[in-house]
Amino acid sequence: AQSVTQPDIHITVSEGASLELRCNYSYGATPYLFWYVQSPGQGLQLLLKYFSGDTLVQGIKGFEAEFKRSQSSFNLRKPSVHWSDAAEYFCAVGATSGTYKYIFGTGTRLKVLA
Amino acid sequence: GAGVSQSPSNKVTEKGKDVELRCDPISGHTALYWYRQSLGQGLEFLIYFQGNSAPDKSGLPSDRFSAERTGGSVSTLTIQRTQQEDSAVYLCASSFSVNTEAFFGQGTRLTVV
Repeated sequence: AQSVTQPDIHITVSEGASLELRCNYSYGATPYLFWYVQSPGQGLQLLLKYFSGDTLVQGIKGFEAEFKRSQSSFNLRKPSVHWSDAAEYFCAVGATSGTYKYIFGTGTRLKVLA
Repeated sequence: GAGVSQSPSNKVTEKGKDVELRCDPISGHTALYWYRQSLGQGLEFLIYFQGNSAPDKSGLPSDRFSAERTGGSVSTLTIQRTQQEDSAVYLCASSFSVNTEAFFGQGTRLTVV
């Protein structure tokens, strides 16, 4: 069964600074990988996904993530954070065989300082 | 509908009562998921339906929890003899098939008093 770890519970950055949110997964093969964002009072929205191919994936709102098989990681990055990026971010891993359920991490809450 | 619809949006119940939470997935989506979101706990997987296959119930925390999906569409999550620790936001999601984006509903906030 797959699992995912987001080691940072809270991260605070200044507006305009770069951002990297960490995600490590455990799975016996190359999984499907996702990043979702949950803004206060809002539902979860998909930022980006990795299924195969190019290991650097681009998403919405200027986010990107890089799949590193050797490190079992799928870290989310943004070169310049905006105040509106303050939210909770969830990494998810999906199985590629068997039952295709998606397992989510515990989330990283991002605070942006003006 | 245009998105995943969950009802009710809020539910307050007394300890020991049974509750039913409803999820209407996006039309044509074959996969349906239930998750529980507690403060600081992320999204806890509960159950997964895919087409006519047997559901993956491996995330249900106890036998007080059950779910069904009728006609491959609407799903109901039932919690019997509710306890205070069941208080959480219950999220439903659906996807067109495996390996595709899951779309989430707004959730049902359950409070057990």
